[in-house]
Formats: sequence, structure tokens, C-alpha cells
Amino acid sequence: DARVTQTPRHKVTEMGQEVTMRCQPILGHNTVFWYRQTMMQGLELLAYFRNRAPLDDSGMPKDRFSAEMPDATLATLKIQPSEPRDSAVYFCASGLGVRGPSYEQYFGPGTRLTVT
Amino acid sequence: EDQVTQSPEALRLQEGESSSLNCSYTVSGLRGLFWYRQDPGKGPEFLFTLYSAGEEKEKERLKATLTKKESFLHITAPKPEDSATYLCAVQAKETSGSRLTFGEGTQLTVNP
Repeated sequence: DARVTQTPRHKVTEMGQEVTMRCQPILGHNTVFWYRQTMMQGLELLAYFRNRAPLDDSGMPKDRFSAEMPDATLATLKIQPSEPRDSAVYFCASGLGVRGPSYEQYFGPGTRLTVT
Repeated sequence: EDQVTQSPEALRLQEGESSSLNCSYTVSGLRGLFWYRQDPGKGPEFLFTLYSAGEEKEKERLKATLTKKESFLHITAPKPEDSATYLCAVQAKETSGSRLTFGEGTQLTVNP
């Protein structure tokens, strides 16, 4: 059963520290998405990649957030320095990104980040 | 700007009591409308994709329908295990890739 995996599942850190979240998309999927979910804002798209190239990162605070895909099996989201307002659940999703039934995105279990 | 509004925010049903969730959307050319289910502490789980007005999809007790302005998720004879937050999202034709805009969700509770 193919799934998106994310690590770590939970992260507690102090303000100012660097945080790195990792995602392994479903094998064969060529589109990867990073979302942030909070009670106030719901699900927000931060960035997404197709074939490892960034297509849109307009949802990310550029001064502290960065997203990369070092290879087809790994996507990373980094926050440096972290702030308490970054506390949220961060989801990674992957998809095939082509017309038809493959427009769906499949989500990972999320990383719950708490910045104190 | 694409917008998705879901109603109600929360819905409590008794087991077996059928109802519908609403998703109203504004998008400049709809490529697809998606329904997801999210359980507490988990990521959204894909349910349906609808591409054109008049289209319907069914899965067990769930049936999704689509018009030019809104989508409904009908739940027939719900069971407690259907309790979850249901999210609606749209994808516009002009977007590159597969960008989705999500609504705030409807939190459904089904009491036994």
C-alpha cells in the first residue's frame, strides 16, 4: 500500500532553532506539495514541485522558510529561524499531476511542530 | 482569487440520519473539485474528484454531486465511523501543476 511518509511526526523546539521536515512521496509521483494546517487558517499551500523543480512557493515566508527536493524520493521543508507562530501541522502530499484521475493529491500523516 | 466556502462548520447527526454538506466555490474555470476526509491527527484522505457540472460519484454511504457553483456531499444512513472533518478543494484550469484551494471543512459527528 503506497503512502506518503513524513518525519518527524512530532517536533518541539525553541524559538530561533532550525527545523527540518522530511517527506518521501509515493514512488512514481512527480508532484510534491507542502501544506500548513492551523485552526485559524485551515490548510494553506506553502510550496509545490513538479519533477523536482519548484513551481510555486508564494505561500512561504521567504526569509525563513525554504523547500527543496534533493532527489525524486525526498522533499525537505526547512525553517530557520523558527518562531512560535510557525507552530502548526505541516503536511506533505504527492500526486501524478496529469489530467484525469491523477489530479488527486495523497497526503502524509503530517509533522506537528511546536515552537516555544 | 479562487474561493471555497463550506457549510455548515459543524454537523451533528444521529446514526442513520441522512444529511448533506455543502461546498460553494468561485473559480475562474474549474478543472476539478475534490473531496477529502480528515480524521483527528491524520492527513486528509482523498475521497472523490468531480470535473464537470452534473457529475456524481459514490462510495459506500457517500455521494458527491457538482453544479456550476457548488458541490454537495450526501451522507446516507451515516454510522459513527463516518465522523470526521470533510474538506472540499478546487483546482482552477489556469493554474500550473495541481494547485488546490481548500475550504475550512465541515466537522461531522455521528452519534450512535
